[in-house]
Formats: sequence, structure tokens, C-alpha cells
Amino acid sequence: EPEVTQTPSHQVTQMGQEVILRCVPISNHLYFYWYRQILGQKVEFLVSFYNNEISEKSEIFDDQFSVERPDGSNFTLKIRSTKLEDSAMYFCASSGLAGGNTDTQYFGPGTRLTVL
Amino acid sequence: AQKVTQAQTEISVVEKEDVTLDCVYETRDTTYYLFWYKQPPSGELVFLIRRNSFDEQNEISGRYSWNFQKSTSSFNFTITASQVVDSAVYFCALSGNSPGGYNKLIFGAGTRLAVHP
Repeated sequence: EPEVTQTPSHQVTQMGQEVILRCVPISNHLYFYWYRQILGQKVEFLVSFYNNEISEKSEIFDDQFSVERPDGSNFTLKIRSTKLEDSAMYFCASSGLAGGNTDTQYFGPGTRLTVL
Repeated sequence: AQKVTQAQTEISVVEKEDVTLDCVYETRDTTYYLFWYKQPPSGELVFLIRRNSFDEQNEISGRYSWNFQKSTSSFNFTITASQVVDSAVYFCALSGNSPGGYNKLIFGAGTRLAVHP
């Protein structure tokens, strides 16, 4: 069964460093998302991406964050200069077969980011 | 604004008990979707069910059942004859059909279910 994959599973970085989190969405999906979950808290929407551009972003998704679909399979989240408060689990999700964007979002296993 | 409330922070039951997880939502959209996801201790988010706002039929899948009531804006989840493997955090989520929104999910705070042998 197709699934969303994410790498790495755990990333440890120093404050101020850049990190890139990688995701491979389900191959025939058209809509891509990033969410984050600070330890013990709810899952929060960061950004949605469709047709090679951001369709919506939350207030969390400031200028330090960017997303990219560099090729036909990968979807990346970059944090330019990490802060302590960026420590969280980051989930990638994909959805949406052609014809509608209301389909179920399937999540990857997450990348745990630890900023020291 | 859209909002999902899961008032039960933690529930603890003994195996074979039935348990209901509550979810109350707020939205101004006339068309919307409700979801339940399971987050086991390993951390991934596992999709359980999706319901659209026009379909108020209850659904049963094995030991799982869902009760959607538009009149009370609730979408409750019942596990019958709970098992230790059901121990997880369960999230209720809402997505709307707002223009440009591309259906971001709004999650509740989650309910941690502990099933003891």
C-alpha cells in the first residue's frame, strides 16, 4: 500500500543552523502539507502546497520556513536558522487525487527535530 | 473560525471495557469534513475515518464506531471491547472547504487512551 515517507526520522541540530526535512508523498497525490507537533501538544498546520506553490500558510510559517518540490517526488521543508522552540515532530502529509482537494490526508511517520 | 474540542485529556480503562471519545467542533462552513486519527506510542498518525457534513449516518468498522450529530456539532468515537493495542492518543480533526484553504486540518488537543490488561 502506498505510503508517505520522511527522512530523517530524527534530526539533532544546533540553534541557528539550517535544516532540511524531506518527504516523499504518495505518488499520485497532488496536495502536500507540513504539520508540526510540539511534544505532548496538538498537531498544528504549517503550510499547504499545490501546483508548485504555497496555497496557504499559518502564522507559524514565518520567513524562516520555506518549502520546495525540487523534483517529481520529493517535498522539503527548510528551516533557515533554527530556534529552540522549533523542536518538534514534523509531519508531512499528502492528499488529493485529480478532481478534488477534499480527500483524506495521509501522514508520514514524522521527523523529530531537536534543536540544542 | 474553526475549532475542535476534545474535552477528555486522558481516559483509562480496563481491557474489554467500552470507551467513548468525545469530539465537538465549530465551523461556519456548510461543507466540511471530520476525521479521526490514531497516534500510537511509536508516533505516527494513522487515519481512521473521514465523514463529510452531509452524511450523518453512523459508521461501524469492527470494534470501532462513530456517531456524527450535526445538531450538537459532535463526532464521537466508540471503541467496543477495548484492547491493550488500542492504547494511543486519538485526535479528532476538521477541514473546511474555504476558498484557497486546500483543506488544512484543524486538530483537537487529543485524548490519551490507556487500556490496561
